[in-house]
Amino acid sequence: EAGVTQFPSHSVIEKGQTVTLRCDPISGHDNLYWYRRVMGKEIKFLLHFVKESKQDESGMPNNRFLAERTGGTYSTLKVQPAELEDSGVYFCASSRGGGLSYEQYFGPGTRLTVT
Amino acid sequence: KNQVEQSPQSLIILEGKNCTLQCNYTVSPFSNLRWYKQDTGRGPVSLTIMTFSENTKSNGRYTATLDADTKQSSLHITASQLSDSASYICVVSANSWGKLQFGAGTQVVVTP
Repeated sequence: EAGVTQFPSHSVIEKGQTVTLRCDPISGHDNLYWYRRVMGKEIKFLLHFVKESKQDESGMPNNRFLAERTGGTYSTLKVQPAELEDSGVYFCASSRGGGLSYEQYFGPGTRLTVT
Repeated sequence: KNQVEQSPQSLIILEGKNCTLQCNYTVSPFSNLRWYKQDTGRGPVSLTIMTFSENTKSNGRYTATLDADTKQSSLHITASQLSDSASYICVVSANSWGKLQFGAGTQVVVTP
């Protein structure tokens, strides 16, 4: 079974540009999560999809961030326009169900650098 | 202030030795506590998940304990191996839907 994949693995962009991160969850996993770790800080929750619907987006920092999951399969996270403080590692995770008995499987992350 | 605090921040141990990592949390209400292992350049991988009614859980050489009354957890690594070198992250969830609150992690380095 293929794991969670994320693309790209690294992205370097200039302040003000737009970047789109992609996450492909494990096949059959209805739940998809986005997290990010900024330099020197702990990983923080951004949002949670159940299929194509946003279950919880309380962690999204501001309206420059837009997450979508059309069709309930892969998800994209767009940052527009990017700011310096957006630099960090963005993780995606997926799980089959949403209850505590369901394991969350993490992707390797996308390292975003905004210069 | 982070509601999940871990100690120590980092530690170095000799191969074959044991070590214990600590986690204190203030997340409330409490649903479950997880320990993850994160290798450099990889995503976190789950080691254990415990609910408030469980006070110990093992996964191979990893044993996690939980005291929900004092809101403390520990992760014990037995007979460490070089492959145990990683960041170990304590994660607490206040609900069953999976919104996780992460500690900053303990960086463990196992030396030959």
